[in-house]
Amino acid sequence: QSALTQPPSASGSPGQSVTISCTGTSSDIGANNYVSWYQQHPGKAPKVMIYEVSKRPSGVPERFSGSKSGNTASLTVSGLQAEDEADYYCSSYGGGNNWGVFGGGTKLTVL
Amino acid sequence: EVRLLESGGGLVQPGGSLRLSCTASGFNFRNFDMNWVRQAPGKGLEWVSVISNTGAIIHYSDSVEGRFTISRDNSKDTLYLQMHSLRAEDTAVYYCTKREGSSLFDMWGQGTMVTVSS
Repeated sequence: QSALTQPPSASGSPGQSVTISCTGTSSDIGANNYVSWYQQHPGKAPKVMIYEVSKRPSGVPERFSGSKSGNTASLTVSGLQAEDEADYYCSSYGGGNNWGVFGGGTKLTVL
Repeated sequence: EVRLLESGGGLVQPGGSLRLSCTASGFNFRNFDMNWVRQAPGKGLEWVSVISNTGAIIHYSDSVEGRFTISRDNSKDTLYLQMHSLRAEDTAVYYCTKREGSSLFDMWGQGTMVTVSS
């Protein structure tokens, strides 16, 4: 069982917006802003899309945005494109033997 | 180009040992904390261990503590994961990752597959 809870699946049509949630606790997501989101295409290594809750690394489209409220973080993908179809994982700092915690992943399907 | 290249994976019997390596290039390795993250076949990501840039601070997940040892050689720009008492549930792709400030897993290698089976 993953430390952070994500819905197993999400979907949307091209051009639509989709939001994926990531729920933790007051010991991880609720305790800091070290929340990140990763995109993983089949057979590939994960790629960071959002870090520190809402910051986008260079090269990540503005269509990807992040936010946090309490113990829950969210990733929103606006203007869905076919290439956005992938697995998405959230992560947070948890400290000690939970230094890094991940969500179970959400499979995003572009209909 | 910033790059992380893992090696050392393979097939090992239950109870066996294996050492993974991750060679870094394109950045000043000694300045960055490093992690190992694994992904079992068809499953999600699982954090395994972290080591600070100097090696002074180390943490392990409960699932590997006492069996795995993380280390680094900054003179060789290389991160290691020594794995002992391997179990079937350790079967996974093991990724080497680099921390960049508040981005805990900022850069990922391509991964190396470890299969524990008799």
